[in-house]
Amino acid sequence: DAKTTQPPSMDCAEGRAANLPCNHSTISGNEYVYWYRQIHSQGPQYIIHGLKNNETNEMASLIITEDRKSSTLILPHATLRDTAVYYCIVRVFQGAQKLVFGQGTRLTINP
Amino acid sequence: GAVVSQHPSRVICKSGTSVKIECRSLDFQATTMFWYRQFPKQSLMLMATSNEGSKATYEQGVEKDKFLINHASLTLSTLTVTSAHPEDSSFYICSGTGRNEQFFGPGTRLTVL
Repeated sequence: DAKTTQPPSMDCAEGRAANLPCNHSTISGNEYVYWYRQIHSQGPQYIIHGLKNNETNEMASLIITEDRKSSTLILPHATLRDTAVYYCIVRVFQGAQKLVFGQGTRLTINP
Repeated sequence: GAVVSQHPSRVICKSGTSVKIECRSLDFQATTMFWYRQFPKQSLMLMATSNEGSKATYEQGVEKDKFLINHASLTLSTLTVTSAHPEDSSFYICSGTGRNEQFFGPGTRLTVL
């Protein structure tokens, strides 16, 4: 079973920041928070991951609360191409560990 | 990120036939590959974990004799849907593991008539 909870859907205006929340209250000390997204009829795309510090890359920022029970993915300037289902996943930091997908958040960017 | 390809991208077959889907890691060696299935408007469901040179590990409820997985090299894993039926129609996605991330293929849309 997925160990994360996300809102089923969100809307955001183009050009605005999209903030996607994720609850992972049962996260273990050695588990990282990963974010992937899936654009319609494509394979999931890796976005970012983190353990406890905030992370930023060219795609997004990841803010993890101090108690690590929740996190927020931030797309700073959303575009129409960011419309996708976003998945928040927790797992240990090891490539061979499987990813268990929950239902994700369907983010719609509106013009 | 690393690149994973799948072939074919789309396949239509008759009920009772077998279909093979290839998954290749193009610029990295994947000792472990995963196979997922996704039905319309649903999330990805893990079917099996494939390790190079050994038998695949199947998730509960997935028939190993129906979904044959071969991982003969560090860059190629294949999924064969044997005796396909309309209920096997789905979007099949593979992923390969890099050092610490998983990279997904573009998926294969299987339609069984």
